[in-house]
Amino acid sequence: NAGVTQTPKFRVLKTGQSMTLLCAQDMNHEYMYWYRQDPGMGLRLIHYSVGEGTTAKGEVPDGYNVSRLKKQNFLLGLESAAPSQTSVYFCASSTLRGSPYNEQFFGPGTRLTVL
Amino acid sequence: AQSVTQLGSHVSVSEGALVLLRCNYSSSVPPYLFWYVQYPNQGLQLLLKYTSAATLVKGINGFEAEFKKSETSFHLTKPSAHMSDAAEYFCAVSDQGFKTIFGAGTRLFVKA
Repeated sequence: NAGVTQTPKFRVLKTGQSMTLLCAQDMNHEYMYWYRQDPGMGLRLIHYSVGEGTTAKGEVPDGYNVSRLKKQNFLLGLESAAPSQTSVYFCASSTLRGSPYNEQFFGPGTRLTVL
Repeated sequence: AQSVTQLGSHVSVSEGALVLLRCNYSSSVPPYLFWYVQYPNQGLQLLLKYTSAATLVKGINGFEAEFKKSETSFHLTKPSAHMSDAAEYFCAVSDQGFKTIFGAGTRLFVKA
């Protein structure tokens, strides 16, 4: 049981390049989230998904797109990277089955630098 | 709307001293409250949660938190700090749905 995994762990991009971050969970969770973490700002929700084939915007969605074609995977795309997207990105998943508390399980993060 | 405020972006204590990390929340419905810990270069992991069963909640590694409705607070404490407690701590609130709002975090430094 690997929990939540993220690839890659590190990436350096040039302004204007594109990339996709992959998140996978093996806990059969229905909810998945992408956050970015910046110093002094905590975690800010980028996009989230309540189930396979559905996505929704979070607090800071501009410049990002997501897809959830399979229940266990949640992809975050940057079509044209900007220096303002330099951050640490975390994926998380959760379930409300059997528990209403929405404990979120986090991946180890992806550190992205945009030059 | 929900919000979380963590007082103090950095807290420094000596090893063996009391740890107190402050969190105040705002919620229009009875909240679920959480503390998560993030060790360097790792993701967040749950430390403890308040689910209305008891106002004093015990978590892992000797941490506990007390829910005080009148003060809208959920402060995290540990009687005696250990070097391994050095990490960033996040308070979070959920509205009993699938979304969670995180505070800005408090980095705990432990001095030998």
